[in-house]
Amino acid sequence: GAVVSQHPSRVICKSGTSVKIECRSLDFQATTMFWYRQFPKKSLMLMATSNEGSKATYEQGVEKDKFLINHASLTLSTLTVTSAHPEDSSFYICSAPKGGGRAGTDTQYFGPGTRLTVL
Amino acid sequence: AQKVTQAQTEISVVEKEDVTLDCVYETRDTTYYLFWYKQPPSGELVFLIRRNSFDEQNEISGRYSWNFQKSTSSFNFTITASQVVDSAVYFCALLPVKAAGNKLTFGGGTRVLVKP
Repeated sequence: GAVVSQHPSRVICKSGTSVKIECRSLDFQATTMFWYRQFPKKSLMLMATSNEGSKATYEQGVEKDKFLINHASLTLSTLTVTSAHPEDSSFYICSAPKGGGRAGTDTQYFGPGTRLTVL
Repeated sequence: AQKVTQAQTEISVVEKEDVTLDCVYETRDTTYYLFWYKQPPSGELVFLIRRNSFDEQNEISGRYSWNFQKSTSSFNFTITASQVVDSAVYFCALLPVKAAGNKLTFGGGTRVLVKP
C-alpha cells in the first residue's frame, strides 16, 4: 500500500491565489522530504528539500518566496505556491526516504502527485 | 556531478514481446544506489528496485529483470512477456551514498507503450 500520501490530488485555482499541497509519510517518520515538479512528458525536477525543524533547501533557480515549504512535523511537509500564475501549472510530487537508517541508503517513496492548474 | 541517461524516449511493443530499457549513469562516487521507478498514467511513481553498487548480481522479480554492469555503468531493465498494464514511463535514478540528504538524480524516462 501507499507509504506517502499527497493532498489534494488535483486543484484548479485562479491566478493570484495561493495553493497549499500536503505531503504525509504514512507509517514512518521523515526528517527530510522532497518536492519535485514534473512538466508533461518530462522527467522530475527537484525543487527543494524539506527539512524538519529547519529551513528548506532550494535548488538553484527555484524561487523561495514563490514556493514556500514548511516541514511541520516528522510526517508532514507542505508546499504553498504563492500568488500562483498560469506558468506555475504543473504536476507536483513529493517524496520521503524510508528505510536504511543511514544517510544515502534510504529508498525514496513518492506521493501520488498533485496536478495544479492555474487559470 | 551525477548524470543518468535513458537514451530511449519511447518504446512501443506488442503484448507478449520482451522490452529492454537502457540506463547509463555517471558518478565519481564509488558507493551508490541505483533505482528503477514506474510511473503509470495515474502519475504516482512506483518503486521497483534498488541496487547497491557493490552488488552486481542480476535480479529477477516475476516478469521483471535487471542487468547491472558496473564496467559499463549500466543498469538495464527488461520486461518479459509484456502486458498492457506495463504501459508507463519508467525512470532510472542514481543515489550516491555520500550525497547529502538522499538526493536522487533521475534519467529522462522511457515511455513504454504495450499494444494489445
